[in-house]
Amino acid sequence: DAKTTQPTSMDCAEGRAANLPCNHSTISGNEYVYWYRQIHSQGPQYIIHGLKNNETNEMASLIITEDRKSSTLILPHATLRDTAVYYCIVRRMDSSYKLIFGSGTRLLVRP
Amino acid sequence: EPEVTQTPSHQVTQMGQEVILRCVPISNHLYFYWYRQILGQKVEFLVSFYNNEISEKSEIFDDQFSVERPDGSNFTLKIRSTKLEDSAMYFCASSGSLNEQYFGPGTRLTVT
Repeated sequence: DAKTTQPTSMDCAEGRAANLPCNHSTISGNEYVYWYRQIHSQGPQYIIHGLKNNETNEMASLIITEDRKSSTLILPHATLRDTAVYYCIVRRMDSSYKLIFGSGTRLLVRP
Repeated sequence: EPEVTQTPSHQVTQMGQEVILRCVPISNHLYFYWYRQILGQKVEFLVSFYNNEISEKSEIFDDQFSVERPDGSNFTLKIRSTKLEDSAMYFCASSGSLNEQYFGPGTRLTVT
């Protein structure tokens, strides 16, 4: 699975959009981009995933660049409850079952 | 909304003792997983289970570990002889396909 690079930490103001970048320059054609988050010591929570098209759900939007070498997770109106560690994970869906978690980005939403 | 549940929330055991961590996956899911997270470290994959057998396991998942789906609802992780370094949060997860995995709240295992 391709390696990902994320900033160690970020912050944003409550009510504003949080844009979390992820670099995955070695991604291959059959690898998907997944985003999970972990609030304090709770279990990781699935947010969204995509292959090459942009995706949106009730939690967030995922923007993948045309060359697929990077992506951005967007939380459109961040709340204090969105303070968490956000993990960008690249994964093939046809061969491996596991998720490989990196260190993620610690997002702090300020009041 | 269906969710993965885990029991107990906290388990304290003495070194060398056996522990069984229990999970109830989401009811129509077919794939089951265990992960662990040592305090302050990354979430690490342990094992995946599908069609009543282990489908993938990590180097951490040695002979001291075993998994079982004893009935139609529970999924368990057994550690035969616990070590101090087994102290961690253990997360169970399930998925209906090879897409998104849904995690439980975790069991904090403390080995003394």
